[in-house]
Amino acid sequence: NAGVTQTPKFQVLKTGQSMTLQCAQDMNHNSMYWYRQDPGMGLRLIYYSASEGTTDKGEVPNGYNVSRLNKREFSLRLESAAPSQTSVYFCASSERQPPDGYTFGSGTRLTVV
Amino acid sequence: AQTVTQSQPEMSVQEAETVTLSCTYDTSESDYYLFWYKQPPSRQMILVIRQEAYKQQNATENRFSVNFQKAAKSFSLKISDSQLGDAAMYFCAYRRGGGGADGLTFGKGTHLIIQP
Repeated sequence: NAGVTQTPKFQVLKTGQSMTLQCAQDMNHNSMYWYRQDPGMGLRLIYYSASEGTTDKGEVPNGYNVSRLNKREFSLRLESAAPSQTSVYFCASSERQPPDGYTFGSGTRLTVV
Repeated sequence: AQTVTQSQPEMSVQEAETVTLSCTYDTSESDYYLFWYKQPPSRQMILVIRQEAYKQQNATENRFSVNFQKAAKSFSLKISDSQLGDAAMYFCAYRRGGGGADGLTFGKGTHLIIQP
């Protein structure tokens, strides 16, 4: 099925460990996004990429890095995980104009202990 | 910066009844888009309905409709004939207009409970 695929779906890290969350879309969308969702909060934007080769900070970028590997793939890296990064992470993609909607992946539940 | 406020953390409605979820937003832009997303326990984010700010007509999708009051910066979602499958978190979201790649700004969500 067409859509946004995130891996892994679940992950437990120890404080200080690093990991990369992978995201791929097959809808030929230009724009891709990483969000985090914490209990009692809506989704908050971490980073986004308007097109291949470009990335920009969102509302909560500290502690994260991203790579737009090609048009399909947009990865999120935690260099030194902290308990405050325990969250559910969503990748999304969209066309810029007009925004018919954003297609979301199924999320990654990350726990940092 | 834009903000989106959902003042109802939780709502409960009887099956087959109508429920309205509230959303207000703050922006200085005149061109923007508003969305309602549904998040069931599966965690998947599902687009319910969207509204372009330049359109005066309220958007409708089957049992879902919005009441868009641009001057009041209000964007409520009405669900008619509520069904058990409507039980979920509902998020209101805002996006600036234009050709940029801006992400969505979300409210904190409303947990909708459907009583059988």
